Amino acid sequence: QLQLQESGPGLVKPSETLSLTCTVSGGTISSANYYWGWIRQPPGKGLEWIGNIFYSGNTYYNPSLKSRVTISIDTSKKQFSLKLSSVTAADTAVYYCARHEYISSPVGFDVWGQGTLVTVSS
Amino acid sequence: IQLTQSPSSLSASVGDRVTITCRASQAISSYLAWYQQKPGIAPELLISAASTLQSGVPARFSGSGSGTDFTLTISSLQPEDFATYYCQQLNSLPYTFGQGTKLEIK
Repeated sequence: QLQLQESGPGLVKPSETLSLTCTVSGGTISSANYYWGWIRQPPGKGLEWIGNIFYSGNTYYNPSLKSRVTISIDTSKKQFSLKLSSVTAADTAVYYCARHEYISSPVGFDVWGQGTLVTVSS
Repeated sequence: IQLTQSPSSLSASVGDRVTITCRASQAISSYLAWYQQKPGIAPELLISAASTLQSGVPARFSGSGSGTDFTLTISSLQPEDFATYYCQQLNSLPYTFGQGTKLEIK
């Protein structure tokens, strides 16, 4: 079945750029029925949607992060990536990648990666 | 769109019927999803489109509502249901989540 796996550094220094990659296995990344998204969760807090990307490369970002976020996709590698620039301690969180089902209307994030904790600290 | 869940926490016993409410700051039709999250594990999608149970989710879970007011009901709590529950609106960007409802064992 479809699986997602996040990878990237677990520690990032303040003012630097956080970079994560999500690898998709057991299914296609190039389906018209799905978007691919990033969600984060600060320790002990709730969920925040960061953004989505379609296999064509169309992106949708949370305005609260838009100036610092870039999501990209490499369909040949079945990967999509997150870059978050100028990080501060407030960006410390577990970062999840997930598949967003969208058949005729948005359904929700139906497959998630296990999540990766990224700590921003010097 | 802001989502407000109530209660924020809830203590209940195995076998109890439990209802969690999610209120949207503006109408979102039926574009609402419910997730269950256990400690240290990614959320799991339980219900989409306000009332559509995802494959494999036990029938004791149900959802209802449209517009601004939604509910998640667990008809008879099982030990594995003690977790945190989140609603999410998918009506318009940015997608937003409720603050969560932590369901604890009484």
